Amino acid sequence: DVKVTQSSRYLVKRTGEKVFLECVQDMDHENMFWYRQDPGLGLRLIYFSYDVKMKEKGDIPEGYSVSREKKERFSLILESASTNQTSMYLCASSHPTRPPIQETQYFGPGTRLLVL
Amino acid sequence: QKEVEQNSGPLSVPEGAIASLNCTYSDRGSQSFFWYRQYSGKSPELIMFIYSNGDKEDGRFTAQLNKASQYVSLLIRDSQPSDSATYLCAVTGDYKLSFGAGTTVTVRA
Repeated sequence: DVKVTQSSRYLVKRTGEKVFLECVQDMDHENMFWYRQDPGLGLRLIYFSYDVKMKEKGDIPEGYSVSREKKERFSLILESASTNQTSMYLCASSHPTRPPIQETQYFGPGTRLLVL
Repeated sequence: QKEVEQNSGPLSVPEGAIASLNCTYSDRGSQSFFWYRQYSGKSPELIMFIYSNGDKEDGRFTAQLNKASQYVSLLIRDSQPSDSATYLCAVTGDYKLSFGAGTTVTVRA
């Protein structure tokens, strides 16, 4: 079974703090993704990575950065947390070359972040 | 940016009935289509994927795809209270997924 883990289930931070969200997958997946989920807005892609040290902006990258130093680990960084970054953050991974279920994404349990 | 629209909810169905969920997408080049189920407070879990036009059945779930109409649907037959969740439609074509906002289904006992 694919396992995607996230470092925290709940996190409370103050405005202006630097926040690190960690994601680890154990299935040797090349692709990793960070989303945020807000009521009524669904899942929105923040950043994704196809390979180590590679990153691509998603739909809402502003205020975020990422790091992928190892294949299994993908970190999301909030450089200076703001209240509008209060959200559920979901990490996902996928392997793009294993048909017939290529591109299927597997999600971690999520981190609920509250910025005060 | 791919747009994915789902029928607005919430959708309330009696136990044993069929729940019908609809999804349209804007990118005609989209190749893969997914349905995820998300229980309250949990992360999405994959329940169905479909690549080819037509129907695909898996237990009580049937996914239907019509690429010409840019339409994908999910039918849940013999709905159970455990099916109460938010269902997310997702569309991809280049390793990224675009999600709809989700349709919340409540199955009444």
